[in-house]
Amino acid sequence: NAGVTQTPKFQVLKTGQSMTLQCAQDMNHNSMYWYRQDPGMGLRLIYYSASEGTTDKGEVPNGYNVSRLNKREFSLRLESAAPSQTSVYFCASILTGGFSGELFFGEGSRLTVL
Amino acid sequence: LAKTTQPISMDSYEGQEVNITCSHNNIATNDYITWYQQFPSQGPRFIIQGYKTKVTNEVASLFIPADRKSSTLSLPRVSLSDTAVYYCLVGDMRGSSNTGKLIFGQGTTLQVKP
Repeated sequence: NAGVTQTPKFQVLKTGQSMTLQCAQDMNHNSMYWYRQDPGMGLRLIYYSASEGTTDKGEVPNGYNVSRLNKREFSLRLESAAPSQTSVYFCASILTGGFSGELFFGEGSRLTVL
Repeated sequence: LAKTTQPISMDSYEGQEVNITCSHNNIATNDYITWYQQFPSQGPRFIIQGYKTKVTNEVASLFIPADRKSSTLSLPRVSLSDTAVYYCLVGDMRGSSNTGKLIFGQGTTLQVKP
């Protein structure tokens, strides 16, 4: 049981390049989230998806787009990367109406924008 | 959205009990209180969750007063391996259809000394 899987784990981009971070969960969870964590800081919500076909902005959505491809997958796209987007990105998922109410996280994708 | 406030950092010694308090003055009726632990270069990991009074599991206890405006995570007899960042998260974690925005606070860095 893999849980929440993020790819790639590391990426270096040049300013202005684009890329997509992939996230997949195999727990049949309804809701999925993208967070960013800057060095020495807490987690900030970028976007979330309450269910397949829906997405909503979080605290810091500017410069990002998301796609909930299906129930398993939730991708985060940087159309024109900027140095301020250098961060560690975490994907998380949760089962709504679930007994545990636990948010499961991936291991993170470390992005450096030069 | 229930905003949370925690101490930025705490120090302790091995074998001591550590209590970390989180304030959440505008907690909503459906909100649960969940604590997460994060080690460097890893995603946050679920520790414990509660709605009211006291919850205990094999690693921690969670104390919630009647007004639910604060909560206290208690770690008994900490060891060096408990050095980590601890986050208090308040939200409708068991929502029937939509857990909504799940916003983390800044977290508490716990340093356990020998």
